[in-house]
Amino acid sequence: DTVLTQSPALAVSPGERVSISCRASEGVNSYMHWYQQKPGQQPKLLIYKASNLASGVPARFSGSGSGTDFTLTIDPVEADDTATYFCQQSWNDPTFGGGTKLELK
Amino acid sequence: QVQLKETGPDLVQLTQTLSITCTVSGFSLTTYNVHWVRQPPGKGLEWMGAMWNGGGTDYNSAFKSRLSISRDTSKSQVFLKMNSLQTDDTAKYFCARHVTIAAPFDYWGQGVMVTVSS
Repeated sequence: DTVLTQSPALAVSPGERVSISCRASEGVNSYMHWYQQKPGQQPKLLIYKASNLASGVPARFSGSGSGTDFTLTIDPVEADDTATYFCQQSWNDPTFGGGTKLELK
Repeated sequence: QVQLKETGPDLVQLTQTLSITCTVSGFSLTTYNVHWVRQPPGKGLEWMGAMWNGGGTDYNSAFKSRLSISRDTSKSQVFLKMNSLQTDDTAKYFCARHVTIAAPFDYWGQGVMVTVSS
């Protein structure tokens, strides 16, 4: 299985820029996707194929990377962005990162 | 609009079988794939398996032979059945839509929380 590693948590102030990383145990080309999940809700697709913004997602969100290293950037961060962010690869059987919990200071 | 809704039991006894139904609307099961993903309380997401639009299935090897996914296209429903439940199967179970190989999961159901009780 392709293991995806994310930092467990980050804390930022509103208006700042935050980058959330995801490292794959093997290359996944550009087949990395990002989801936002708020407590009690289902995941919501933010970015697909590394850098493509999903429909209806604010342009404050962006993605980059290829191969094994990927980044989700939020700029500027707003209060409503408090959530857990998961990466997911679809190059092999789907696997997810452990999630990065974003908290606002 | 696209919707997926999971229905199933809140509580399942240890070693028993879990059955969950995913009812979809706004798209056809013969055009789109539907996957199952679960999330234990406070933990991450785990892919369980897929029902492909052509009727085939794929499973996460972690579930070995415990898991079965099927569908009824006439009712727009996909079914998950998993036997020999243990306490670590306690989780929220989601179904999610998938367009094609290597695509993301673009729509998700709200999930159903299942507790395995001894």
